[in-house]
Amino acid sequence: QVQLVESGGGVVQPGRSLRLSCAASGFIFSDYGMHWVRQAPGKGLEWVAFISYDESNKYYADSVKGRFTISRDNSKNTLYVQMNSLRGEDTAIYYCAKDSLRIAAGGDIDYWGQGTLVTVSS
Amino acid sequence: DIQMTQSPSSLSASVGDRVTITCRASQDIYIYLAWFQQKPGKAPRSLIYAASSLQSGVPSKFSGSGSGTDFTLTISSLQPEDFATYYCQQYNTYPFTFGPGTKVDI
Repeated sequence: QVQLVESGGGVVQPGRSLRLSCAASGFIFSDYGMHWVRQAPGKGLEWVAFISYDESNKYYADSVKGRFTISRDNSKNTLYVQMNSLRGEDTAIYYCAKDSLRIAAGGDIDYWGQGTLVTVSS
Repeated sequence: DIQMTQSPSSLSASVGDRVTITCRASQDIYIYLAWFQQKPGKAPRSLIYAASSLQSGVPSKFSGSGSGTDFTLTISSLQPEDFATYYCQQYNTYPFTFGPGTKVDI
């Protein structure tokens, strides 16, 4: 069965950096694009970024463009997001999610991880 | 960016009710529309893709319809486990965008 396990969350000061990881199992990781989606406390879902199966395509929300970098290591079945210049409004639960389309430039999400909480506060 | 709206923002219903939630896109997204369910403290669950196709394991009481800019999610007979917040999302154009959610409670 598909499993996505996020890690790396915690409390970080404004302006600092943090890297989140998502360990994937139960499917051929190198065949599927992956997404990061976040949810601020008490708020709705916000799509953050997508990376294609082969890293050839990367897309970002305007709110994180230039500050966040999505990447993956297909040899380790792991997805990452490097978050720099963090702001209070980046406080959220960060979910990694699997794209449903194999060998594609992005589509709908079919599986979600349980999320990891990032709190940006001094 | 494509803006997504949902109506109503919340609704109260009873077990056994038929519930319909509407989602509207600010421009044509064809059928590239997904629906998700989220319960408090839990990760979202994928329900529907391509506007009307059920994800694997999703019961047939959930159905979706629409194309272009107007879409609906219908729950045919509400059960206690269906009380949750429902989100639509367009995946026609990056950046992908979610609707603000519809909370369904008792």
